[in-house]
Amino acid sequence: DVKVTQSSRYLVKRTGEKVFLECVQDMDHENMFWYRQDPGLGLRLIYFSYDVKMKEKGDIPEGYSVSREKKERFSLILESASTNQTSMYLCASSLPTTGGLNTEAFFGQGTRLTVV
Amino acid sequence: AQSVTQLGSHVSVSEGALVLLRCNYSSSVPPYLFWYVQYPNQGLQLLLKYTSAATLVKGINGFEAEFKKSETSFHLTKPSAHMSDAAEYFCAVSDRRGYSTLTFGKGTMLLVSP
Repeated sequence: DVKVTQSSRYLVKRTGEKVFLECVQDMDHENMFWYRQDPGLGLRLIYFSYDVKMKEKGDIPEGYSVSREKKERFSLILESASTNQTSMYLCASSLPTTGGLNTEAFFGQGTRLTVV
Repeated sequence: AQSVTQLGSHVSVSEGALVLLRCNYSSSVPPYLFWYVQYPNQGLQLLLKYTSAATLVKGINGFEAEFKKSETSFHLTKPSAHMSDAAEYFCAVSDRRGYSTLTFGKGTMLLVSP
């Protein structure tokens, strides 16, 4: 089974702190994603990566950055945490699209971040 | 741009009743469509996906969905609800970026009463 592991289930951080959310997948997937989930808004894409050291902005990248130094690991960085970044963060991974065929994304269990 | 509309933020059914969760999409290219389920305090799990092979797609846990191009819909159904089906359900469409990035609907919480 594919496993996507997020390092923390719950985090509490102070405003202004630099925050790192870590995600590791064990299936050699090329694609990795960070989504943010808020009640009534569904999931929104923050950043994604299709290869080591490659990254692309999603729909809501402001206030975030990412790092992918190794294929299995994709980190989300909050440069200076703010209260409006309190949310559930979900990491996912997938194989690359083949012949235009989208592949299934596998999700981690999420990190619930509270910024106080 | 691709978008997904899920009608009803909450749907309540009785155990044994039909489950119908509605999803309409907007896409300028042939879409790939997905339904995911999220149980409390869990990540998302794929229920089923449409990738143009067949319009009626069967998924896990007795769920199925029918792709109707003329109605731009991909509604999720299950003939008989179980208490264990209580969860939040998300419809998603592959977006133009490729790379398997998804645009999600806002979700529908399914409540099942005894």
